[in-house]
Amino acid sequence: DAGVTQSPTHLIKTRGQQVTLRCSPISGHKSVSWYQQVLGQGPQFIFQYYEKEERGRGNFPDRFSARQFPNYSSELNVNALLLGDSALYLCASSSGQATGNTIYFGEGSWLTVV
Amino acid sequence: QQQVKQSPQSLIVQKGGISIINCAYENTAFDYFPWYQQFPGKGPALLIAIRPDVSEKKEGRFTISFNKSAKQFSLHIMDSQPGDSATYFCAASFKAAGNKLTFGGGTRVLVKP
Repeated sequence: DAGVTQSPTHLIKTRGQQVTLRCSPISGHKSVSWYQQVLGQGPQFIFQYYEKEERGRGNFPDRFSARQFPNYSSELNVNALLLGDSALYLCASSSGQATGNTIYFGEGSWLTVV
Repeated sequence: QQQVKQSPQSLIVQKGGISIINCAYENTAFDYFPWYQQFPGKGPALLIAIRPDVSEKKEGRFTISFNKSAKQFSLHIMDSQPGDSATYFCAASFKAAGNKLTFGGGTRVLVKP
């Protein structure tokens, strides 16, 4: 079975531009979360979606937005990119939203803002 | 506010030795404590997890020790192998937060042959 898949794997954007990152969860998983991992640090929670509804939001500005589609795939959008948005963006999926459900991460999308 | 503090930032261990990574948390509502292993260029992968109703959990060469009163937990890697060289993250979550994981800062482990 395929794991969590993310696209694109790498991308370079210019300050002020907008970016869309995509994620397909493991088949049957209805919960998708997004994390930002700056080089040398632990992942930071951005959003969680479950059954197409936002169920949690981390301490990120409104420039960050996301949505989940009927097939449970998800997109993360970041507007007005800043240099500090350069990071690895990780998508994670799980079968439910209860604690203890194993959370599986994708390999991430590397975003470089220049 | 960093709610999960992890130490050391890095460690070097000889093959066959024991690697020990420590984490401390602040939020007493946390009720699930997983450890993730991350290789360069890869996403984190769940290694082992524990709930606060047990003091120790062992899976193969990996053991979590949990001290609820001290709000600390640790990962022990026994008989460390070069293939264990990776970055390890402790994390925590609680029921009301659903799947939201709060991660520590990570520990880079290098196992020398």
